[in-house]
Amino acid sequence: ETGVTQSPTHLIKTRGQQVTLRCSSQSGHNTVSWYQQALGQGPQFIFQYYREEENGRGNFPPRFSGLQFPNYSSELNVNALELDDSALYLCASSLGGGEETQYFGPGTRLLVL
Amino acid sequence: GQQVMQIPQYQHVQEGEDFTTYCNSSTTLSNIQWYKQRPGGHPVFLIQLVKSGEVKKQKRLTFQFGEAKKNSSLHITATQTTDVGTYFCAPFGGSNYKLTFGKGTLLTVNP
Repeated sequence: ETGVTQSPTHLIKTRGQQVTLRCSSQSGHNTVSWYQQALGQGPQFIFQYYREEENGRGNFPPRFSGLQFPNYSSELNVNALELDDSALYLCASSLGGGEETQYFGPGTRLLVL
Repeated sequence: GQQVMQIPQYQHVQEGEDFTTYCNSSTTLSNIQWYKQRPGGHPVFLIQLVKSGEVKKQKRLTFQFGEAKKNSSLHITATQTTDVGTYFCAPFGGSNYKLTFGKGTLLTVNP
């Protein structure tokens, strides 16, 4: 186990709704990255937070937003859900400062109907 | 960006056979990481390669980084049913300190 936890484990939403996913990073880690993994694909980088600031963003629209708290836990918010948002959402924590090893949480499986 | 292609996309083997997956890039990579994802699970870090021509072993797994740092491979000797899963290569870096995953190779093992 990596010590990275995510909630909820599964979620069903309807198109147009909003969703908030949560991630608790491994103890001592100040960097959290979020990835979206569609079925049969590799994870795609959404964004990263380092010490409560967004530290980079992938090719995702602004309706994907995030937050990192002083304890380095993080949230991923998705507004105006679309069917294509159905995926496994993974967070990964790391020590930051260029430390490369990413420790993934178990993920949240989101289904948009 | 640091795009990688993985081949094959799928591989089915009999238990005890060897398995190799290849990861190729059109650009020189500063490093490459390998992850394993079991069915229904999440990616688990296996190893990172940084040096040109680097070879690292973990029990039955052998990882190589090409001399030109444009390709990498993972070789599993004498596969076991516990090796089932998708193996991803992913260079790490760029301005976002992000991983850029390939599509992975799904390995299934027939007991």
